[in-house]
Amino acid sequence: DAGVIQSPRHEVTEMGQEVTLRCKPISGHNSLFWYRQTMMRGLELLIYFNNNVPIDDSGMPEDRFSAKMPNASFSTLKIQPSEPRDSAVYFCASSLTGDGNTIYFGEGSWLTVV
Amino acid sequence: GENVEQHPSTLSVQEGDSAVIKCTYSDSASNYFPWYKQELGKGPQLIIDIRSNVGEKKDQRIAVTLNKTAKHFSLHITETQPEDSAVYFCAASNQGAQKLVFGQGTRLTINP
Repeated sequence: DAGVIQSPRHEVTEMGQEVTLRCKPISGHNSLFWYRQTMMRGLELLIYFNNNVPIDDSGMPEDRFSAKMPNASFSTLKIQPSEPRDSAVYFCASSLTGDGNTIYFGEGSWLTVV
Repeated sequence: GENVEQHPSTLSVQEGDSAVIKCTYSDSASNYFPWYKQELGKGPQLIIDIRSNVGEKKDQRIAVTLNKTAKHFSLHITETQPEDSAVYFCAASNQGAQKLVFGQGTRLTINP
């Protein structure tokens, strides 16, 4: 199994630009999560989907952030416009409900906004 | 909501010694407690988990204990090896893995 695949692995962008992070969950998994990791705040859940439907987006910091899951094998996290404080590692993770609830993380997208 | 506190933030032990990392949680309804290991430049990987219906679980050199009354759980690593060096995170949830709340992490260093 290829695991959770994220792209890009690294991105440096200028403040005000749009950033799109992409995720391909493990095939067959029906839950998908977006986490953000910073030194100050640790690992925070931003949003999660069950069967492509957003269930809880209470962790999304503000309206500049949006996430979509158009089908079971693809999700995006978009930041528009980006700000320096958005610099972080963004992780996508997936799980199969009922499979002991194990969450499998991707390698992360390292975002730097200058 | 749930709040998870993790201690210590850094831990250095001699190779072969044991390491213990402790976490406390606030929500008495939490019923799932996983531990993740994160190596540099990689995503967190599940190493062991425990549910609220058991008090202890072991997997080779790794064990986790849970005290529901006191609302704390601990990770124990015995016979530590250099490859155990990483950042370890505890987490808690009352919805299985659907809404994990993570601790701040412990940077474990194994000295040869």
